[in-house]
Amino acid sequence: LAKTTQPISMDSYEGQEVNITCSHNNIATNDYITWYQQFPSQGPRFIIQGYKTKVTNEVASLFIPADRKSSTLSLPRVSLSDTAVYYCLVGEGDMRFGAGTRLTVKP
Amino acid sequence: DTEVTQTPKHLVMGMTNKKSLKCEQHMGHRAMYWYKQKAKKPPELMFVYSYEKLSINESVPSRFSPECPNSSLLNLHLHALQPEDSALYLCASSQYVAGANTGELFFGEGSRLTVL
Repeated sequence: LAKTTQPISMDSYEGQEVNITCSHNNIATNDYITWYQQFPSQGPRFIIQGYKTKVTNEVASLFIPADRKSSTLSLPRVSLSDTAVYYCLVGEGDMRFGAGTRLTVKP
Repeated sequence: DTEVTQTPKHLVMGMTNKKSLKCEQHMGHRAMYWYKQKAKKPPELMFVYSYEKLSINESVPSRFSPECPNSSLLNLHLHALQPEDSALYLCASSQYVAGANTGELFFGEGSRLTVL
């Protein structure tokens, strides 16, 4: 199982770009990297998934260096509603969550 | 339909009660999951079902009993619970379990359980 390490918390301001990094030093060849967002008292929601290089969708970008030992979730121009916990998951089927990063966006 | 539906949303039970949590999805997913989440903690994996068979049991106490009657339904039977079992119970589904890519997990809104 690839263990993940993320910052416990981050603060930002509205309109800024936020980058959350996840370390996964023992990622396996077949492992994908998936990020989820969770608001209080709700189930986590899928944000983005990638295997290598860069993936972009309508809400975020995911940057993965060549060695794949880390990944960075980039949220462009955050708003107050982006305040949530963000989880990085690495694996191919066990779907265990690490501690996550609590992002607080301030006005 | 990309929803995972969990019922009930809230449940209060005594330590001697028997109750069940229900989860349903109609996305044709073949993997379903139960998680337990305490306040300000990450979801904790409890059980994984793959093609209606239990594939992962994270050493969960026997007072929690999962059941997968068919590919769309997942139940969690509760009996003789303790107050420390009070938590948000989340159900999720995914298209695949094993393989190169599990795919996206779809979560329900959870069932908030309080054990008195």
